[in-house]
Amino acid sequence: EAGVAQSPRYKIIEKRQSVAFWCNPISGHATLYWYQQILGQGPKLLIQFQNNGVVDDSQLPKDRFSAERLKGVDSTLKIQPAKLEDSAVYLCASSQLEGRAIQYFGAGTRLSVL
Amino acid sequence: KQEVTQIPAALSVPEGENLVLNCSFTDSAIYNLQWFRQDPGKGLTSLLLIQSSQREQTSGRLNASLDKSSGRSTLYIAASQPGDSATYLCALGGDSNYQLIWGAGTKLIIKP
Repeated sequence: EAGVAQSPRYKIIEKRQSVAFWCNPISGHATLYWYQQILGQGPKLLIQFQNNGVVDDSQLPKDRFSAERLKGVDSTLKIQPAKLEDSAVYLCASSQLEGRAIQYFGAGTRLSVL
Repeated sequence: KQEVTQIPAALSVPEGENLVLNCSFTDSAIYNLQWFRQDPGKGLTSLLLIQSSQREQTSGRLNASLDKSSGRSTLYIAASQPGDSATYLCALGGDSNYQLIWGAGTKLIIKP
């Protein structure tokens, strides 16, 4: 069974530029999560999708971050414009059901904003 | 508000030792607790999941315990190996809202 796929693995941009990350969850997984993990901290949930609907985006900085999940499968997370403090690893995870199912994580995208 | 703490932030031990990693939390109203492993440049891998009604879970050389009354969980690693070197994070699933609340992790180094 293929795992959660993320791309790119690394991205370096200058502040005020835009960047997009892509995630392909495990086939059949209805729930998809985007996390931000700053060095030395645990992951912080940015947004949770159930199929193609948003369950929780309370911690998503909506003035600069946006996310969508087309047809309930792949998802993209965009930052526009980026700030220095956005430097982090962005993790995508998926699970079979909402809530209490085990989440499976992708390898993440390491973003450096200069 | 649930807070999760993992102490120490880093730990270095010789190969072969048994060791314990700690996770403490402030609110005992949890649904479950998970221990994850994170390798550099890689994502998170779930190691063990303990339901709130359980006291412990075991997988190979790993044993995780849960004591809700004291707000603590421990991850016991037996006969440590250099391949166990990684960052270990605990995450709690809330009772009313299943958002995972994460600790900052313990970076473990096993010296050959």
